[in-house]
Amino acid sequence: DTEVTQTPKHLVMGMTNKKSLKCEQHMGHRAMYWYKQKAKKPPELMFVYSYEKLSINESVPSRFSPECPNSSLLNLHLHALQPEDSALYLCASSFTGTSGVAYFGPGTRLTVL
Amino acid sequence: GQQLNQSPQSMFIQEGEDVSMNCTSSSIFNTWLWYKQDPGEGPVLLIALYKAGELTSNGRLTAQFGITRKDSFLNISASIPSDVGIYFCAGRLQGGSEKLVFGKGTKLTVNP
Repeated sequence: DTEVTQTPKHLVMGMTNKKSLKCEQHMGHRAMYWYKQKAKKPPELMFVYSYEKLSINESVPSRFSPECPNSSLLNLHLHALQPEDSALYLCASSFTGTSGVAYFGPGTRLTVL
Repeated sequence: GQQLNQSPQSMFIQEGEDVSMNCTSSSIFNTWLWYKQDPGEGPVLLIALYKAGELTSNGRLTAQFGITRKDSFLNISASIPSDVGIYFCAGRLQGGSEKLVFGKGTKLTVNP
């Protein structure tokens, strides 16, 4: 099983809302990632968690707050987003942060009004 | 930052034709990955390459890890309409990097 699941599939939120994106994998992977993808662009790395610790933050604005409650779960908390934050948010996981294939989830399509 | 030069940017082909796309870099990679992405979906892994010179097939797809470790190509034989999508190469830099570097993608259109 190489499945990464993400919920919700679609999310519409106002600029004053607080929402969370969820990601789950049961492959025993110890690295999990959040990517942001705009239309017709490649995925852009936001955060990397390795062994449940934040190891990379690609200078992401603080209105995005990641959380890794355990080795299978990854959350992305959203607050006071801007319309330009509308994008496809992808979660991925790999065996470790420095090796192995990265498997992606289906993504959450986020629209900020 | 590190860049992967992926080409071509787009391709328009007839069903049944073969397709070739490639990625090059000035940096050395220890892993090459090829993904396919359909609109509104996440990238799906097609082929993973771990050794210089490695040639790997997955059905009608064949990919190779370049000898110099700075490039990789993906071939699709006898294309079919469901091959339509965006193909991305991605690589892990030598020395162990937690970042996957992505190419800009090749958009493939197959005319029946």
